[in-house]
Amino acid sequence: TQLLEQSPQFLSIQEGENLTVYCNSSSVFSSLQWYRQEPGEGPVLLVTVVTGGEVKKLKRLTFQFGDARKDSSLHITAAQPGDTGLYLCAGPPWREGKLIFGQGTELSVKP
Amino acid sequence: DTGVSQNPRHKITKRGQNVTFRCDPISEHNRLYWYRQTLGQGPEFLTYFQNEAQLEKSRLLSDRFSAERPKGSFSTLEIQRTEQGDSAMYLCASSITGKGEGYTFGSGTRLTVV
Repeated sequence: TQLLEQSPQFLSIQEGENLTVYCNSSSVFSSLQWYRQEPGEGPVLLVTVVTGGEVKKLKRLTFQFGDARKDSSLHITAAQPGDTGLYLCAGPPWREGKLIFGQGTELSVKP
Repeated sequence: DTGVSQNPRHKITKRGQNVTFRCDPISEHNRLYWYRQTLGQGPEFLTYFQNEAQLEKSRLLSDRFSAERPKGSFSTLEIQRTEQGDSAMYLCASSITGKGEGYTFGSGTRLTVV
């Protein structure tokens, strides 16, 4: 069974700090995606990484796909209260049509 | 297009009752997925359709759960004889095959079984 494990599960930081969230698996994924979810809403796609070693930037967010395509990270620079939410990584198991999700990282950024 | 629409947003039901949720995907999306999510956890896969064909069902989906997508457009998820353990957020998402894009999720239906 392919699993995606995220760490940490909870993160509470002050505004302006940097943070990194990790998403790891023992299986190879053809791509990995990162979503952000606010309470009472569905997840919203932030980015898809496809190529091993790929780095994508979205303003203060930097996403990296591991060389072996088994892991990914999300780095946020100078976090702001608006970054608060549940961050989810997800990927399609090889030759499967569905996404499986990690358990999520609950981020709280305090002013 | 207004995105993926789910109805109702909230449903409170008594244990043992049947409930049905509806999902209207983005019109040009041929794939439709159902997920269940409990508080503070990632979404858990239930089932998905490509057009009107149901391609996969999770082993976690008991016989009390059934999903349909009769004309390859909207989908319904029915839960029969609800149990308190069914209380969760039920999320629907849609995508286009082979585009490599992520899912577009609806806002979900929050089910509370009392």
